[in-house]
Amino acid sequence: NAGVMQNPRHLVRRRGQEARLRCSPMKGHSHVYWYRQLPEEGLKFMVYLQKENIIDESGMPKERFSAEFPKEGPSILRIQQVVRGDSAAYFCASSWTVKNTEAFFGQGTRLTVV
Amino acid sequence: EDQVTQSPEALRLQEGESSSLNCSYTVSGLRGLFWYRQDPGKGPEFLFTLYSAGEEKEKERLKATLTKKESFLHITAPKPEDSATYLCAVQGDTGNQFYFGTGTSLTVIP
Repeated sequence: NAGVMQNPRHLVRRRGQEARLRCSPMKGHSHVYWYRQLPEEGLKFMVYLQKENIIDESGMPKERFSAEFPKEGPSILRIQQVVRGDSAAYFCASSWTVKNTEAFFGQGTRLTVV
Repeated sequence: EDQVTQSPEALRLQEGESSSLNCSYTVSGLRGLFWYRQDPGKGPEFLFTLYSAGEEKEKERLKATLTKKESFLHITAPKPEDSATYLCAVQGDTGNQFYFGTGTSLTVIP
């Protein structure tokens, strides 16, 4: 019963380094969402992808952040030249369709920038 | 813009003391309203989906209801293991994302 798998669970990066967060959706799911959660704040949408396509990236910062969901392999959220403000929990969710259905979340990657 | 407001922010209950959590929403064309439970350091765990006003869903001590403007999560005779943050989210017909509230932190005291 493999759910949404995210790795690593914890990631420490120095300012200026790159962070790569991976997400394998549930079996049979082709829709992936990335969310960011800061302490005492709600989940903020970043990007929605289908296989090989970015559908909605309206929540992604314009610089340093990118996402992909290749035909084979996990979805990747990439943060270049990290800054302290990027420290947060990043969650991935997947669903089997985009309309009228729930999304299932992974356990998250906690990024700490030192 | 689609929006979700949850109340109260925090709730402390004695074990067995029933109560309700509120989720008020504004959305253009509701596709679905979703309840999740989140434990510290974990990802949100899916509980319920509600699609239309009047709909109700139940699971153990939890019951979710939906009107045109709000949803309630009723907790009957809660136990300490029900302590968690409960999140509400909506999806409308103008976009793809789920809009989340900031949650209600529930503590059930033995």
